[in-house]
Amino acid sequence: NAGVTQTPKFQVLKTGQSMTLQCAQDMNHNSMYWYRQDPGMGLRLIYYSASEGTTDKGEVPNGYNVSRLNKREFSLRLESAAPSQTSVYFCASSGARRNEQFFGPGTRLTVL
Amino acid sequence: RKEVEQDPGPFNVPEGATVAFNCTYSNSASQSFFWYRQDCRKEPKLLMSVYSSGNEDGRFTAQLNRASQYISLLIRDSKLSDSATYLCVVLSGGSYIPTFGRGTSLIVHP
Repeated sequence: NAGVTQTPKFQVLKTGQSMTLQCAQDMNHNSMYWYRQDPGMGLRLIYYSASEGTTDKGEVPNGYNVSRLNKREFSLRLESAAPSQTSVYFCASSGARRNEQFFGPGTRLTVL
Repeated sequence: RKEVEQDPGPFNVPEGATVAFNCTYSNSASQSFFWYRQDCRKEPKLLMSVYSSGNEDGRFTAQLNRASQYISLLIRDSKLSDSATYLCVVLSGGSYIPTFGRGTSLIVHP
C-alpha cells in the first residue's frame, strides 16, 4: 500500500518548457488535490478534483492545467514554465471520512 | 484577515517542556479541524483531528473553542523529534477545500 506517489521527485526546466507532474493514489479516494508550497506562503491550492471526471480551480490556477485520468491518477501540467513556478508541488488525496488529506512526497521544481 | 492564522514562531523550547500553539479561523461555518505536522523538506502528515469535545493522543492534546473560533495543540514532555512545523487545517461544511494555516515552527533543543 504505497499511499500517494508522485513523479518526478526533482526537475529543472528552462523558461518556456513544458512538463507534466504525475500523481497516483491507491487508497480508493474520491478527491485529489494539487498544491504548491513556497517559503513563507504556506500551501496554496492550484486545482482539485472532487471526484473522477470533475476538476475545479483553486487559489492559484494560472499557468497550470490538470487531468483526472481515472480515480487513481491526477496529473498537473505546466504548458510554458516560468521562473515564478519554481516551487515544491504536493499532490494529496482524501476519502469520505472527515476529509483528512494524505500527501505525496512532493516534486521540487526549478525553472531557470 | 486571513482565513486561518497561526503564529509562525519559531517556538524554541528545551526537551521536556510543555508547549502550546493556537490557530484562529475566521469562517464560523467551519466544521472540521486538523493538525498536521511537516518535517523539513517533507510532505505534511496528519497529526490529529480536533473534535468538539477535545481529544488526546499520548503527549498531544487538541482542543476546539467554537465561541472564540480557535483550535489549540498542546505538546507535553517535548522530545527532540517533535521539532517540525505544525499546520492548522480547517474545513467548512460541505466543502472539499481545506484551508491551511502557514504553520508554526517548533524547535526542541537539548
